[in-house]
Amino acid sequence: QKEVEQNSGPLSVPEGAIASLNCTYSDRGSQSFFWYRQYSGKSPELIMSIYSNGDKEDGRFTAQLNKASQYVSLLIRDSQPSDSATYLCAVHTGGFKTIFGAGTRLFVKA
Amino acid sequence: EAGVAQSPRYKIIEKRQSVAFWCNPISGHATLYWYQQILGQGPKLLIQFQNNGVVDDSQLPKDRFSAERLKGVDSTLKIQPAKLEDSAVYLCASSLGLGAEAFFGQGTRLTVV
Repeated sequence: QKEVEQNSGPLSVPEGAIASLNCTYSDRGSQSFFWYRQYSGKSPELIMSIYSNGDKEDGRFTAQLNKASQYVSLLIRDSQPSDSATYLCAVHTGGFKTIFGAGTRLFVKA
Repeated sequence: EAGVAQSPRYKIIEKRQSVAFWCNPISGHATLYWYQQILGQGPKLLIQFQNNGVVDDSQLPKDRFSAERLKGVDSTLKIQPAKLEDSAVYLCASSLGLGAEAFFGQGTRLTVV
């Protein structure tokens, strides 16, 4: 079992729709969770961090964490073509290391 | 505030040669990470430092890769000898501490021919 799992996609949504990205992790001792956006040829860029169960909203982005289910998600409302990128889930594990999933490619169709 | 600085941006070497990458983290950041990202894959943690101590290096191929963080600030990652499969982008990131938000440098794209 991979430590951090994401659906590789691609996930295709029309402009203006909600994009839902999911991530599961294996280490129950994990405490910090992050979403990064990566455009082709660029470095990962931090979008959101979440540390406790529930929802955290920042503009068009909402991160959701459920530690009991070992599940973290990212919702992007009013998706724009500029949101087309690979979205990476990162987890700070109980072993104190920060590891990444393989990423989900998102395409927003104009 | 200056971001994470990495050099060089690009490097092309022949297999069996050696190469070194340099990283200067954001000022005051205690945790420094080196990741390897192969095209189409997520970043793979090679080594994570907390100040000048190693937190995790379980995925570092120690027969050919080495890394150090002298004085708990700058870090270098070395590959000797390089193999074709080492072709990747090497990303350095830093954070205030363990579990904090990490910020990435621009990366070094290595091509081994």
